[in-house]
Amino acid sequence: RKEVEQDPGPFNVPEGATVAFNCTYSNSASQSFFWYRQDCRKEPKLLMSVYSSGNEDGRFTAQLNRASQYISLLIRDSKLSDSATYLCVVKPSITGNQFYFGTGTSLTVIP
Amino acid sequence: DTAVSQTPKYLVTQMGNDKSIKCEQNLGHDTMYWYKQDSKKFLKIMFSYNNKELIINETVPNRFSPKSPDKAHLNLHINSLELGDSAVYFCASSQLPGQPQETQYFGPGTRLLVL
Repeated sequence: RKEVEQDPGPFNVPEGATVAFNCTYSNSASQSFFWYRQDCRKEPKLLMSVYSSGNEDGRFTAQLNRASQYISLLIRDSKLSDSATYLCVVKPSITGNQFYFGTGTSLTVIP
Repeated sequence: DTAVSQTPKYLVTQMGNDKSIKCEQNLGHDTMYWYKQDSKKFLKIMFSYNNKELIINETVPNRFSPKSPDKAHLNLHINSLELGDSAVYFCASSQLPGQPQETQYFGPGTRLLVL
C-alpha cells in the first residue's frame, strides 16, 4: 500500500467554483502534513501546512482528519491561476527526514 | 537570487554514459535531498543529507552516488545510465529539519533523457 494516495483527477472546474481534494495516508502515527503545488514543468512549492485544528489561507482551507487518516484541501472562488497539480505530502516522523509525496491531483480552472 | 539551483536544467545522453547533476542552496539550510519524478509524476525521495552526512538512502541502484562537499552543495553522480533513469531529478533543501513544520524548498529540476 502506498504511503500517500490521491485521486489524480483531472478536475476541470469553471472559474469561481469551489473544489475539494482529499488525500489518504497509511501511517496512523504520521505527524506532519502539507499541500504543495506544482505547475507544469516546474518544481513543487509549499502551498500550506496542515494543522490539526485545520487552517485557512485566503481562499484555501486545509483540514486533517486523524481518525480517518485523510487530509483535504478546499479552494474557494477558483481562479485561472489555480490551475496546477496539488501534491499531498506526509511526514511520518517529527524528527526524521522522510517526506512522502502523493502522485498529485491535477486541477484545471476553465474560463 | 535563486534559493536552490541545479545544473544542468536539461541533460540528454546515451545509455552507458556517466553524468553528474549539481545542486547548490544559498538558504543556509543544513538538510538537502535528491528526489526523482518519473513520467507518472510520482515524486520519490532518493537521498537525504544533513550537514554533509547521509541520512536517508532509499532503495536506489548503487549506480547513483550522492556527494556533499559542504552543507550548501549536494551533487548526484550517475554511472552507466539506463533508459529507466530518464526522469526529472529535483534537489531540495529544508528549513527546521526534525520540526513538525519543516518546509522543503525545491530546485528547478534537471530533466534527464537517456537515449
